[in-house]
Amino acid sequence: AQSVAQPEDQVNVAEGNPLTVKCTYSVSGNPYLFWYVQYPNRGLQFLLKYITGDNLVKGSYGFEAEFNKSQTSFHLKKPSALVSDSALYFCAVRDKGFQKLVFGTGTRLLVSP
Amino acid sequence: SQTIHQWPATLVQPVGSPLSLECTVEGTSNPNLYWYRQAAGRGLQLLFYSVGIGQISSEVPQNLSASRPQDRQFILSSKKLLLSDSGFYLCAWSTSKGRPEQFFGPGTRLTVL
Repeated sequence: AQSVAQPEDQVNVAEGNPLTVKCTYSVSGNPYLFWYVQYPNRGLQFLLKYITGDNLVKGSYGFEAEFNKSQTSFHLKKPSALVSDSALYFCAVRDKGFQKLVFGTGTRLLVSP
Repeated sequence: SQTIHQWPATLVQPVGSPLSLECTVEGTSNPNLYWYRQAAGRGLQLLFYSVGIGQISSEVPQNLSASRPQDRQFILSSKKLLLSDSGFYLCAWSTSKGRPEQFFGPGTRLTVL
């Protein structure tokens, strides 16, 4: 079965520093991978996806993610964090056979001023 | 452009009362529709999904049911709420062809007392 793991419950970073939120995946076949962000009491917002092509995917709000097939990882990155980036981040993989998504447990990002 | 609506935004209901949450999508036709529950501000649990009018698949047996009376309308219901039904309910849609990412509504916060 398809699955994703987000090994960190929380990531703390100072404003202006680079940030990384980790995600590893387990799939059969080619992976379709996604990142979403959720602000308090809001729905999830789509940030970016990897389907095929370049391993570095650029998304909304200056975020990017690096697909690494050998390490089965899809880490979310941003060169310079903002306090407003503080939120809950979810990695997801498309379930085989249908457009269902399997979500990770989420990582809370806290950016301090 | 496409938009997704959910209502109500918040709901407080007594145990044993019925429930009806509504989700509608605008700007697309024949979408795939999904209901998720998020407990304790973290993981997402897929409850139901639908590929067309009257077609509902249940992911987890429980006290809830879903219906899709119109192409872009998805309803989550219960005849008798339990305390454990409390949570944040999210509706999402994706295209039936093409892009695999899902787009989420703003959510409904349900508190069962």
